[in-house]
Amino acid sequence: DAGVTQSPTHLIKTRGQQVTLRCSPISGHKSVSWYQQVLGQGPQFIFQYYEKEERGRGNFPDRFSARQFPNYSSELNVNALLLGDSALYLCASSLFPQGANYGYTFGSGTRLTVV
Amino acid sequence: SQQGEEDPQALSIQEGENATMNCSYKTSINNLQWYRQNSGRGLVHLILIRSNEREKHSGRLRVTLDTSKKSSSLLITASRAADTASYFCATDGRGSSNTGKLIFGQGTTLQVKP
Repeated sequence: DAGVTQSPTHLIKTRGQQVTLRCSPISGHKSVSWYQQVLGQGPQFIFQYYEKEERGRGNFPDRFSARQFPNYSSELNVNALLLGDSALYLCASSLFPQGANYGYTFGSGTRLTVV
Repeated sequence: SQQGEEDPQALSIQEGENATMNCSYKTSINNLQWYRQNSGRGLVHLILIRSNEREKHSGRLRVTLDTSKKSSSLLITASRAADTASYFCATDGRGSSNTGKLIFGQGTTLQVKP
């Protein structure tokens, strides 16, 4: 069975540009969450989507947005990129929306570098 | 802000030794989880312990939870070079049980020397 897949694996963007990151959850998982991990830090929660609806949002500016599609895959969009957006972006899927109660399966992440 | 704080930040041991990592958190929780991360890639779920549990085992892993002290420990017994990774504790925070929000600590970097 395929795990959580994220694309692309690496990305280099220029300040001010926009970026779209993609995630496909484990088959049957309806919940997708996004995390940002800056080098040397733990992951920070950005969004959770379940059944195509936003269920949670972390403390990130409106430049960050996401959506979930009918097949439960998800996209994370970041506009007007800043140098500080350089990070590993992780996607996690779970069977239930209360993924925090059961454990998550994480993808390998997208490494975004903003120059 | 980070909820959990891991201690130590870095740990270096020889193969075969035990490794103990500690985690402290700030608010009430429903459960606490431990994850492993190799070389800045994806996180792997290791073990989940619920707030009404005090100890849990999984293979060479032993996790304890003390809700009165808001702390947890992860013990890896008979460590192997393949255990070299960063280890994170994560909590849900009571009140966020209807969302997927996990709050991670800053992690402990474990190096196991062959």
